[in-house]
Amino acid sequence: DAGVIQSPRHEVTEMGQEVTLRCKPISGHNSLFWYRQTMMRGLELLIYFNNNVPIDDSGMPEDRFSAKMPNASFSTLKIQPSEPRDSAVYFCASSLALAGARVTDTQYFGPGTRLTVL
Amino acid sequence: GENVEQHPSTLSVQEGDSAVIKCTYSDSASNYFPWYKQELGKRPQLIIDIRSNVGEKKDQRIAVTLNKTAKHFSLHITETQPEDSAVYFCAASNSAGGTSYGKLTFGQGTILTVHP
Repeated sequence: DAGVIQSPRHEVTEMGQEVTLRCKPISGHNSLFWYRQTMMRGLELLIYFNNNVPIDDSGMPEDRFSAKMPNASFSTLKIQPSEPRDSAVYFCASSLALAGARVTDTQYFGPGTRLTVL
Repeated sequence: GENVEQHPSTLSVQEGDSAVIKCTYSDSASNYFPWYKQELGKRPQLIIDIRSNVGEKKDQRIAVTLNKTAKHFSLHITETQPEDSAVYFCAASNSAGGTSYGKLTFGQGTILTVHP
C-alpha cells in the first residue's frame, strides 16, 4: 500500500496567489482529514470528510480556504488568495470509519505539504 | 466538544532514563486514545493506542495507561534512546454511535529530547 499521498511536497508562492494542495487517501478509507501545523498553533484540524461529504469545516480559518472531495480517491485544499500567515505544513490523513461502529480505526497521515507564502 | 490537555510541553531526559507524558480529556464518552510520534520534518506516526475497555497496553519499551474515572491517560517510555527524541501527540476519539467519523482531538504535543 502506498499510504496517503500528498502533492506537492513543497510549495513556495507569493502573496495573493492561489494555492491548491492535493491528497490521495489510502484505498478503502472513507474518512479524510486536512490539518495545518505551525509552531505557534500546533496541529489544527481544518476540515474532514466522510464518504466524500464534508462533515465539519469549523476549523477552516477563513473564506479564503476551501476543500473538496469529488471522489473517494482525491481531495483538494485551496487557498485563494494566499497570505504569508498561511505558511505552514498541511497534512492530509485518512481512516476507515464504519457507520454505527463503536471502534475508531487508525488515522494515517500523509507526508505533508510545506507551504511558504512570501 | 472534546478537549485534550497534554503535559509537559517539553521533556528532557538522559539516555536510559524513563519518560512519562500525560494527557487529560474532557468527554467521558471518548473511547479511543492513540499516541503519535513526529520526528523533525516527518509526518505524525502512530506508535501505540488504547481503547477504553483496557487499562494498560505495552509494546516493548513503550506503554500506555488509561484511567477512565479520572479521564487521563499516559505514555511511558522506558530505557530511552536518542532516537526517541521527537514530538509526541496524544489524541482522543469518541466513536460511540458511529458519529465521530474517526475524528481525533489532539493534545498540544510534547517535545522529548533524549541526551546521550
